[in-house]
Amino acid sequence: DAGVTQSPTHLIKTRGQQVTLRCSPKSGHDTVSWYQQALGQGPQFIFQYYEEEERQRGNFPDRFSGHQFPNYSSELNVNALLLGDSALYLCASSAGGSPYEQYFGPGTRLTVT
Amino acid sequence: SQQGEEDPQALSIQEGENATMNCSYKTSINNLQWYRQNSGRGLVHLILIRSNEREKHSGRLRVTLDTSKKSSSLLITASRAADTASYFCAPTDSWGKLQFGAGTQVVVTP
Repeated sequence: DAGVTQSPTHLIKTRGQQVTLRCSPKSGHDTVSWYQQALGQGPQFIFQYYEEEERQRGNFPDRFSGHQFPNYSSELNVNALLLGDSALYLCASSAGGSPYEQYFGPGTRLTVT
Repeated sequence: SQQGEEDPQALSIQEGENATMNCSYKTSINNLQWYRQNSGRGLVHLILIRSNEREKHSGRLRVTLDTSKKSSSLLITASRAADTASYFCAPTDSWGKLQFGAGTQVVVTP
C-alpha cells in the first residue's frame, strides 16, 4: 500500500515564476492538506481539500492556490514566486474528511533564487 | 490562534534516559497530535489524544492532555539514538487542521 507521494522532490525556480507541486494521497484517503515549512520552523497550514473543494484556508495570500482531482490527488500552485516562498512543502492525507491522524508525504523542497 | 508551542526548544540526553517535552495551546481543540520529523523530511505521526482523554500510551511513548490548562506532554522512555529528531505537537480543530509549533529538537547521544 503506497503512502502519500509527492513530486517533484526538489525544485529550483526564479523569482516571479510559477510552480506546481503534486500530491497523491494514501489509498483510501479523500482529504488532502498542504503545509509550508520554512527552515527551522514548524509546518504552517496552507489549505485543505475535501470532495474537490477548498474547505479551509490558512493565512496565505491568493498567490497560493490548489486543486483536488476526482481521484483525490491534489496540486498546489504558487504564482509570482518570492524568495520567501523557499521552503519544504508537505502534503498530508486523511480519510473521510475527519480530524484524525494525517499521513504526510516526504515533501517537495522548493528553492527560489 | 490554537497553534501549539513546544518547550523546551532543544533537549540533549543520553541513551537510556527519558525525554519529556511540553506543549501549550490557546483555544479549544478536537484532539492533539504529536509528530516526529527526521532531518527536515516528512513528518511521522506518533500519537493522537482526543480532547476527552487524559493519558495515552504507545510503546515507549506516553502522552498526557490537560484541557483545563491547555497543555500536553510527551514522554519518551528509555531513549535511543534513533529517537534523535524534531518533535512537534499539533492541536487539531474539528476539520483536521493541524496547528504546529516550532518543535523541540531532541538529540540522543550514545
